[in-house]
Amino acid sequence: GENVEQHPSTLSVQEGDSAVIKCTYSDSASNYFPWYKQELGKRPQLIIDIRSNVGEKKDQRIAVTLNKTAKHFSLHITETQPEDSAVYFCAAPAAGNKLTFGGGTRVLVKP
Amino acid sequence: DTEVTQTPKHLVMGMTNKKSLKCEQHMGHRAMYWYKQKAKKPPELMFVYSYEKLSINESVPSRFSPECPNSSLLNLHLHALQPEDSALYLCASSLLREGTAFFGQGTRLTVV
Repeated sequence: GENVEQHPSTLSVQEGDSAVIKCTYSDSASNYFPWYKQELGKRPQLIIDIRSNVGEKKDQRIAVTLNKTAKHFSLHITETQPEDSAVYFCAAPAAGNKLTFGGGTRVLVKP
Repeated sequence: DTEVTQTPKHLVMGMTNKKSLKCEQHMGHRAMYWYKQKAKKPPELMFVYSYEKLSINESVPSRFSPECPNSSLLNLHLHALQPEDSALYLCASSLLREGTAFFGQGTRLTVV
């Protein structure tokens, strides 16, 4: 099955700085890589995803990069704001629509 | 409608009770999921339904019984739960091929 590793587990940044979260996956057949943001007591919300036929995707202050050869993908948040504070999960699908999550990164943006 | 709706939001039940969690989506998604999430942990897959048929059961104890009455509804029947089953139970749905999973707001379950 798919195994997803996520680093770091916690990340503290100053407001305005950038944050980078990295994930590796094991199943070379995986072709879709979503990122979710989960605020305390709320549902995981999809913030961006990338498919295996592209290497980078941007949406305003958020970008995701994918290296299929090395089997890793990263989330980049620029110009961080206090509302970016949350837990972020990467994920990768295995056969049968089985989405496997990384362990999560708790991001704290300090004003 | 891009929402996945779960009821109830909170549930407290005794170890001898029987209760059900409900999930509904109207996005035309043909895959629906139940996840369990403990505090400070990632969501953990329990069940996957594809075209209203159970396709994955992640070795979940039989005290959890899923049901998919139609393509829009997903239930999770609970019976004789243990205190360690207390968690946030999340429903999600996705298009089968695309894989974008949308989550409901969850049911916070406490077993006493």
